[in-house]
Amino acid sequence: DGGITQSPKYLFRKEGQNVTLSCEQNLNHDAMYWYRQDPGQGLRLIYYSQIVNDFQKGDIAEGYSVSREKKESFPLTVTSAQKNPTAFYLCASSPRGGVRYTFGSGTRLTVV
Amino acid sequence: DAKTTQPPSMDCAEGRAANLPCNHSTISGNEYVYWYRQIHSQGPQYIIHGLKNNETNEMASLIITEDRKSSTLILPHATLRDTAVYYCIAYQGGSEKLVFGKGMKLTVNP
Repeated sequence: DGGITQSPKYLFRKEGQNVTLSCEQNLNHDAMYWYRQDPGQGLRLIYYSQIVNDFQKGDIAEGYSVSREKKESFPLTVTSAQKNPTAFYLCASSPRGGVRYTFGSGTRLTVV
Repeated sequence: DAKTTQPPSMDCAEGRAANLPCNHSTISGNEYVYWYRQIHSQGPQYIIHGLKNNETNEMASLIITEDRKSSTLILPHATLRDTAVYYCIAYQGGSEKLVFGKGMKLTVNP
């Protein structure tokens, strides 16, 4: 079955360490997105990519980095520069030009 | 994209129709209304979208007023599994991304 996979589901890291969240899709979607969600809040866009080797900053890109070397993969690195990284991270994909997103099940990151 | 306004929460009895309102008074003529829902600790799920005509699919119906300033998502026979946060989003083609607000928490009670 086609879908989008995020791993791991839960992630614990020490403060000051970089951490990379995985997002893989086999839907043949061109576009991929990373959102962050804090308790009781909506989703905020971190980065998005409409095509391989190209990506754009979203509303809260500071302290994060991404790469898009393959169509299927869009990993997100949470760097030590992100001041409050503990959150629920969601990856999504869509056909290019469309916004019928398919979301992954999310990664809950806790920094201690 | 136009801003949308939803009540923070509402309750519905299991088996009854759930009518979820959304105001989008500043929506422009080429902005679509999209609905997603997010069950606790999962990724959001697409439900339905429309421009100006009413739409129906296997999950829900979307009723958009003639002036397009508001819409209603209808779940015809709500079940406990419909308990979720529902997001109403106005989207203009070309912006390439969706902006999610806080949404509305629907609780379906037994």
